[in-house]
Amino acid sequence: QKEVEQDPGPLSVPEGAIVSLNCTYSNSAFQYFMWYRQYSRKGPELLMYTYSSGNKEDGRFTAQVDKSSKYISLFIRDSQPSDSATYLCAMSQVYNTDKLIFGTGTRLQVFP
Amino acid sequence: KAGVTQTPRYLIKTRGQQVTLSCSPISGHRSVSWYQQTPGQGLQFLFEYFSETQRNKGNFPGRFSGRQFSNSRSEMNVSTLELGDSALYLCASSPGTISNTEAFFGQGTRLTVV
Repeated sequence: QKEVEQDPGPLSVPEGAIVSLNCTYSNSAFQYFMWYRQYSRKGPELLMYTYSSGNKEDGRFTAQVDKSSKYISLFIRDSQPSDSATYLCAMSQVYNTDKLIFGTGTRLQVFP
Repeated sequence: KAGVTQTPRYLIKTRGQQVTLSCSPISGHRSVSWYQQTPGQGLQFLFEYFSETQRNKGNFPGRFSGRQFSNSRSEMNVSTLELGDSALYLCASSPGTISNTEAFFGQGTRLTVV
């Protein structure tokens, strides 16, 4: 079983829809949680970065972390065709390392 | 502020050869990590350097090595290339402190082994 599980999709939604992307994890030592967006043939772009449990909002994006359930989510409101990309969750532990463990990524397509 | 810069962007090498990839981190960032991305395995951690010292290492064979220079720039080397080494190699930099592990990625180097 992988440390981080993520539904690979693809997820296809109409423009304007609310999108929910999720990851589950098994290692309770994870303290930092990130969401990256990756366009085809590009490097991952950091979207959201959260520490421990709670919610964080940035424009149309909201990240939620529930450490008790080992579950993290990314919500995209008013989705746009330009949001079409692969979304990767990533996590790291608190002690002295930047080693990130990634989910496999969810491919999202927003159609006009 | 300039982002993470990786060179070259594309490489084609022959089996058995070796290759060196370069990464220049964001100014002020002291931690550099390397990842391999393939369609089958996704993003896998290779190694991490902080202040010229390897701080962590993933589960890759010894053919994969790296180093970091005093200006935080980093290189990774793959010797005796195999077809399975074909992948997108990504470099990420972060401040490297316990309170901030926010990692930013470069565009990657796409390596094709033929």
